[in-house]
Amino acid sequence: KNQVEQSPQSLIILEGKNCTLQCNYTVSPFSNLRWYKQDTGRGPVSLTIMTFSENTKSNGRYTATLDADTKQSSLHITASQLSDSASYICVVTSPGGYSTLTFGKGTMLLVSP
Amino acid sequence: DTAVSQTPKYLVTQMGNDKSIKCEQNLGHDTMYWYKQDSKKFLKIMFSYNNKELIINETVPNRFSPKSPDKAHLNLHINSLELGDSAVYFCASSQWTDRTNEKLFFGSGTQLSVL
Repeated sequence: KNQVEQSPQSLIILEGKNCTLQCNYTVSPFSNLRWYKQDTGRGPVSLTIMTFSENTKSNGRYTATLDADTKQSSLHITASQLSDSASYICVVTSPGGYSTLTFGKGTMLLVSP
Repeated sequence: DTAVSQTPKYLVTQMGNDKSIKCEQNLGHDTMYWYKQDSKKFLKIMFSYNNKELIINETVPNRFSPKSPDKAHLNLHINSLELGDSAVYFCASSQWTDRTNEKLFFGSGTQLSVL
């Protein structure tokens, strides 16, 4: 069964600190892996998209890594800001488009002043 | 100038009622979707329309009927609402041309509460 597991479930860090969120998946076949940020009461917003051949991608203070061999991804947030408080969702896509998206449950990040 | 907008933001209604949620996108995308996010926060696709044609219809009760009058609109009508329909419903859109790298753009969600 295709699954996406994220850890930790929730995380509290102090403003200015770094953190790393984990994503393990069993989805096969694999097309790409996406990280989304979902602010409370809003829809998810795409942060990064990585295909099989990419092992790192950055978007500002967000850096995602992908190890397709071990089926693991991480999202590293540098110098956290209060506005980083949100749920971060890992999504894995199989070939065929959006009918094959498998969503993780998300990691709820709270950045404290 | 919101890219994907859906209304209403909140919908509180009684069991058995019929209700609609509207969605519009101004991104010029050709594909639109409805997702359901339950209390466990999992997002699950319900429907997808490409150029007004239904292309994805997951296992959803037939009380849910999507309608796409044009490429920019995808509305969701729900008949005979049940308690289990309570969730947040997200509309999304994308351009179908590059499925490897295409981004999904989500609306802000409609929180449906069935009493």
